[in-house]
Amino acid sequence: AQTVTQSQPEMSVQEAETVTLSCTYDTSESDYYLFWYKQPPSRQMILVIRQEAYKQQNATENRFSVNFQKAAKSFSLKISDSQLGDAAMYFCAYRIYTGTASKLTFGTGTRLQVTL
Amino acid sequence: GAVVSQHPSRVICKSGTSVKIECRSLDFQATTMFWYRQFPKQSLMLMATSNEGSKATYEQGVEKDKFLINHASLTLSTLTVTSAHPEDSSFYICSARLGPKGLAGPSSYNEQFFGPGTRLTVL
Repeated sequence: AQTVTQSQPEMSVQEAETVTLSCTYDTSESDYYLFWYKQPPSRQMILVIRQEAYKQQNATENRFSVNFQKAAKSFSLKISDSQLGDAAMYFCAYRIYTGTASKLTFGTGTRLQVTL
Repeated sequence: GAVVSQHPSRVICKSGTSVKIECRSLDFQATTMFWYRQFPKQSLMLMATSNEGSKATYEQGVEKDKFLINHASLTLSTLTVTSAHPEDSSFYICSARLGPKGLAGPSSYNEQFFGPGTRLTVL
């Protein structure tokens, strides 16, 4: 079974600084997706960034970028120029490509605090 | 992006009663919808996968007779918590997947959109 591990229950970053959230996963599949989702206090899940496993290039979305290390099964999220609005729970998630088993498996989450 | 709504956003019910939660994809057709449960300060746990026109697939440990899921149309799935107990109190989140059922390949991506959630409190 696939598992997703986030070893940092809480992280804190100062506004305008950079922070990296860690995520590791375990799978025997070769083709899959990895995601980072943000859940602010409103509880609405928001997709932050997506990475296809077959792509070697790390995904980037504005201030958000990932460091995808397929061999190490590691998928960290870097937030640059942190803003107060980045404060939220962040969940790493995994999904295989195809078929009825194509469901999201979430990590336990990292709560990010952004301080002035 | 695509919008998924849930109704109600909050519900309080008495122990022993049944509660229905609706999940709608407002501007797209979703052949697959998912129901999650989230306890305070915890992650999302998948309860079941619902495909339009067929029976839901429940995750291990989820009682089918207690959590009834109906996906009668391409835009609506419902979760009914039957004979609710205080331990059923939780935050329930649905999501809907854009695209063809189970046919995603390496070159296609069927994004999953989340509803805003429903907080259920059973007294």
